[in-house]
Amino acid sequence: RKEVEQDPGPFNVPEGATVAFNCTYSNSASQSFFWYRQDCRKEPKLLMSVYSSGNEDGRFTAQLNRASQYISLLIRDSKLSDSATYLCVVNRGTGGFKTIFGAGTRLFVKA
Amino acid sequence: EAQVTQNPRYLITVTGKKLTVTCSQNMNHEYMSWYRQDPGLGLRQIYYSMNVEVTDKGDVPEGYKVSRKEKRNFPLILESPSPNQTSLYFCASSLGPGQDYYNSPLHFGNGTRLTVT
Repeated sequence: RKEVEQDPGPFNVPEGATVAFNCTYSNSASQSFFWYRQDCRKEPKLLMSVYSSGNEDGRFTAQLNRASQYISLLIRDSKLSDSATYLCVVNRGTGGFKTIFGAGTRLFVKA
Repeated sequence: EAQVTQNPRYLITVTGKKLTVTCSQNMNHEYMSWYRQDPGLGLRQIYYSMNVEVTDKGDVPEGYKVSRKEKRNFPLILESPSPNQTSLYFCASSLGPGQDYYNSPLHFGNGTRLTVT
């Protein structure tokens, strides 16, 4: 079992739709959590950090459930430009300062 | 401009011919790391460095070496490349221990696409 697991998708949604991505992690010592966005063949870029109280940045909302070891990302009012792969990322707190990436969830937003 | 610079962007080589991929950051970050990305496997950590002269293995270190002689540079060395090292490689940096590392996001280079024949 992978340490960070995501539904690979792809998710195909129309413009304006709301779409949610889920991610689970297995290491309870994980310290911090992020969502990154990666466009095809390009470097990942930070989308948002994920805080225990939940946080929002415009159309994007991230949630963390430490008890269930579960992270989510909600995208409202999807735009064509949201088409990308979304990576769930966890910083492991023990066993070294390691960053573990999920394999990513592919999103296609269509007109 | 704050950035992580990797070179080369593309590299085609033959089995066994030593190569080095360079990585440099201008943000005074303590933490630097190398990843490889393969279809269906996501990004996997090869090596990381918490500071100068401090390096440690990630999850897939076999066949790779690194060094951290200066804070800004973290080259990745393949002493004897093999075809299974054909991949897309990313270097990244972030703040280090004592600088809120755990909440600091990674800044990535543009990537190096390596093909070993």
